[in-house]
Amino acid sequence: DVKVTQSSRYLVKRTGEKVFLECVQDMDHENMFWYRQDPGLGLRLIYFSYDVKMKEKGDIPEGYSVSREKKERFSLILESASTNQTSMYLCASSSKTYEQYFGPGTRLTVT
Amino acid sequence: GQNIDQPTEMTATEGAIVQINCTYQTSGFNGLFWYQQHAGEAPTFLSYNVLDGLEEKGRFSSFLSRSKGYSYLLLKELQMKDSASYLCATNTGFQKLVFGTGTRLLVSP
Repeated sequence: DVKVTQSSRYLVKRTGEKVFLECVQDMDHENMFWYRQDPGLGLRLIYFSYDVKMKEKGDIPEGYSVSREKKERFSLILESASTNQTSMYLCASSSKTYEQYFGPGTRLTVT
Repeated sequence: GQNIDQPTEMTATEGAIVQINCTYQTSGFNGLFWYQQHAGEAPTFLSYNVLDGLEEKGRFSSFLSRSKGYSYLLLKELQMKDSASYLCATNTGFQKLVFGTGTRLLVSP
C-alpha cells in the first residue's frame, strides 16, 4: 500500500525559530513535493524535487528551503519562522504516472 | 498567469447527481486532475484527464474540454460519505500542479 508519512501532525513554534518538516515515502518515487494549504487559497506549491539532491522552486518559495539527501526523504525548512507561515503543510510524491500521493499533513502554528 | 475557478460550496441530497465545474486559464497545460479531500485528511486522487471527453470510473465521471478550458466532475448516486472538498488542479508541466480553491460538497439525507 502506498505510504507517505510526515513527521508531525501538529507543531507549535515561536517566531524566529528554525523549523524542520520531514516527509518520507516508501514507494521509490522519483518526485516529491511540498505544498501549503490555506482557507480560501487552496493548495500552493512551495518546492519540488525530481531526484536526490535536486530541487525546484514552486509558486511560493520565499522563506522556505528544502533538502533531499535520500530518495525517500524530502525535508522542508523554515529558516526563521514567521506568523504568516502558520498553515497546513502537505507533502506528496509521485512516479512518472502523474498521480500524486499525499501525506496526512502537518498543521504548523507559529506564535 | 494561473487562474482556476470552481464553486466554493454545493449542496445535494443522498441518491442525487451533482456536477462540479472547473474552468481554468493556466500557462502550460498537460492535463487536469480531480482530488477528493475529507475534512482533516489528505487529498486522494480521483481522476486525470489529458484528452477531451468523458472518463467514467464507477459513480464518478470527469469531463475535459481543452479548447474551452473547462472540466467537470460528475458524482452519481450520492452517498453521505461523498461529503468532502473536491479539488481541481491543472498539470502545467513536469507534474507541477496548480490547484483551485476547492468545492465543498455537503450531502444531506
